[in-house]
Amino acid sequence: RKEVEQDPGPFNVPEGATVAFNCTYSNSASQSFFWYRQDCRKEPKLLMSVYSSGNEDGRFTAQLNRASQYISLLIRDSKLSDSATYLCVVNPYTGRRALTFGSGTRLQVQP
Amino acid sequence: GAGVSQSPSNKVTEKGKDVELRCDPISGHTALYWYRQSLGQGLEFLIYFQGNSAPDKSGLPSDRFSAERTGGSVSTLTIQRTQQEDSAVYLCASSPLLDSGNTIYFGEGSWLTVV
Repeated sequence: RKEVEQDPGPFNVPEGATVAFNCTYSNSASQSFFWYRQDCRKEPKLLMSVYSSGNEDGRFTAQLNRASQYISLLIRDSKLSDSATYLCVVNPYTGRRALTFGSGTRLQVQP
Repeated sequence: GAGVSQSPSNKVTEKGKDVELRCDPISGHTALYWYRQSLGQGLEFLIYFQGNSAPDKSGLPSDRFSAERTGGSVSTLTIQRTQQEDSAVYLCASSPLLDSGNTIYFGEGSWLTVV
């Protein structure tokens, strides 16, 4: 089982739609969680951290479910500019002391 | 500059040659990471440096790969006897201190093509 698993997509949605991505992680000791965004042929950039109580940043909402070991990202009112790959990222805090990235979920917002 | 700087940005090399990729992290960042991303794939962890601690090399795919970090700043990733499957973008990232939950910042990557 991969440490971090995501549905690769692609998710094709019309402008204005609401879309949600889920991500599961295998290490129950993980304590830090993030969503990164990666545009085509560009480096990943932080979209938002994920806090235990859930957090919102404009049209983006991130949630953490420790019991089920999954993280979600909700995008409301999708824009064309939201088209990108969204990477789920976990700090496992054990052994390997580096962030573990999921393979990403590709989103294509269509006019 | 303010960001993570990597060089070269693009490198085409012949199979069997050695290559060196350089990363200059953000000033003051103690943690430095190397990841690899093949076309259309996710990020693969390679190696992690944190301050003066022994590096975590658990992600290096073979003994052809090595990395060092001199003076706690600049890092060099070396690939010996390159193979075609080494073709990928090599991403360097840095952060102030991972354990605090700080995010990491990536450079634009070094795109390696082995022909």
